[in-house]
Amino acid sequence: SQTIHQWPATLVQPVGSPLSLECTVEGTSNPNLYWYRQAAGRGLQLLFYSVGIGQISSEVPQNLSASRPQDRQFILSSKKLLLSDSGFYLCAWKDGETEAFFGQGTRLTVV
Amino acid sequence: AQSVTQPDIHITVSEGASLELRCNYSYGATPYLFWYVQSPGQGLQLLLKYFSGDTLVQGIKGFEAEFKRSQSSFNLRKPSVHWSDAAEYFCAVGLPYSSASKIIFGSGTRLSIRP
Repeated sequence: SQTIHQWPATLVQPVGSPLSLECTVEGTSNPNLYWYRQAAGRGLQLLFYSVGIGQISSEVPQNLSASRPQDRQFILSSKKLLLSDSGFYLCAWKDGETEAFFGQGTRLTVV
Repeated sequence: AQSVTQPDIHITVSEGASLELRCNYSYGATPYLFWYVQSPGQGLQLLLKYFSGDTLVQGIKGFEAEFKRSQSSFNLRKPSVHWSDAAEYFCAVGLPYSSASKIIFGSGTRLSIRP
């Protein structure tokens, strides 16, 4: 069966520090991968999606970037964090026209 | 542009009472429709989904939802809520024919249960 792993679960980082959040999927090949951010009271905002290795699409301009170095690995990064980057980050995967399956999320607090 | 609206930010109902959470969407074609539930600090769990066919969809935990094309709505219902239903509920639409079959979420409805 398919599983999705996301880490770390929580992270506290100072303003201006770099960021790397990792997501891996097991049990499927060539999934569509997504990064969402959930800010307090604002629902889930789609940040990036990828349909294949090295293929990244950005939904909103921001201080973050994403990469997909391997088929089932999706990384969210920043060179210098801002206070506004705080939030709950969720990775998800889909296989064609199905529902999305989510990781357990990373709570990022920028201080 | 595509959008999903959940007009109720927070709802409180008594345990044992019925529940209806509202969801409206805007999309040029018939989308795929989902309801997810999120417990605090957790990921999202799928409650139910609609792709085609019968417009009344049954899900897990006793939930159901009805797709009404004329109203662009997909409201979630439960006849009798339990204290364990307290959580955040998200309506979402999948966009067929879009790049990567994106899923767009509403802003969520927080459900509290009164003992």
